[in-house]
Amino acid sequence: EVQLVESGGGLVQPGGSLRLSCAASGFTFSDYYINWVRQAPGKGLEWVGRIKTKRNIYTTQYVASVKGRFTISRDDAQNSLYLQMNSLQIEDTAVYYCGRENGYRFDYWGPGTLVTVSS
Amino acid sequence: QSALTQPASVSGSPGQSITISCTGTSSDVGGYNYVSWYQQHPGRAPKLMIYDVGYRPSGVSDRFSGSKSDNTASLTISGLQAEDEADYYCSSHTSSATPVFGTGTRVTVL
Repeated sequence: EVQLVESGGGLVQPGGSLRLSCAASGFTFSDYYINWVRQAPGKGLEWVGRIKTKRNIYTTQYVASVKGRFTISRDDAQNSLYLQMNSLQIEDTAVYYCGRENGYRFDYWGPGTLVTVSS
Repeated sequence: QSALTQPASVSGSPGQSITISCTGTSSDVGGYNYVSWYQQHPGRAPKLMIYDVGYRPSGVSDRFSGSKSDNTASLTISGLQAEDEADYYCSSHTSSATPVFGTGTRVTVL
């Protein structure tokens, strides 16, 4: 059974940092692009970024609003994905989901982890 | 990349059919047959319902169907049921080689 489980969310002050993790199981993690998608309270889904596979030299892409502040990485040996978030802003408050990309769709999602940026 | 445009809400009675639109541009919806739809119940993760415009993943009811015309994609739910009450989001591949989501539609079963 494919599973993705995020962790690492919590309360952080503006300007602070947080590192999210996504643990994967039930599939060959190294074969797939993995994405981060977030959802602010009461708002819609927003794509945050993705990391490609080793075959695609672990290329990363980000939405403009997080470029230079967020970094996605992966450890294929540990079947894990990471999101390092620096210089956090109040607008970054959201539930963060990791999602497996299969073709041009997200076919599996984790339950999400809540990040709250507040003083 | 601007979010794709969806109606804020759509409603219908049990057994009826409803259609949710998803409007983009030639740089996203109109340019690729890579539109997907997601269902999200409150407090839950999104669930893939339709991919590549009109394909259903295994396990998704055939009451859900997708189509596209020019820059607008559509999700139709036939035989509306109480369990279909949820938020629905479209998503499309874009010319930037990144995905973009729609603004979301709240479906209410009357």
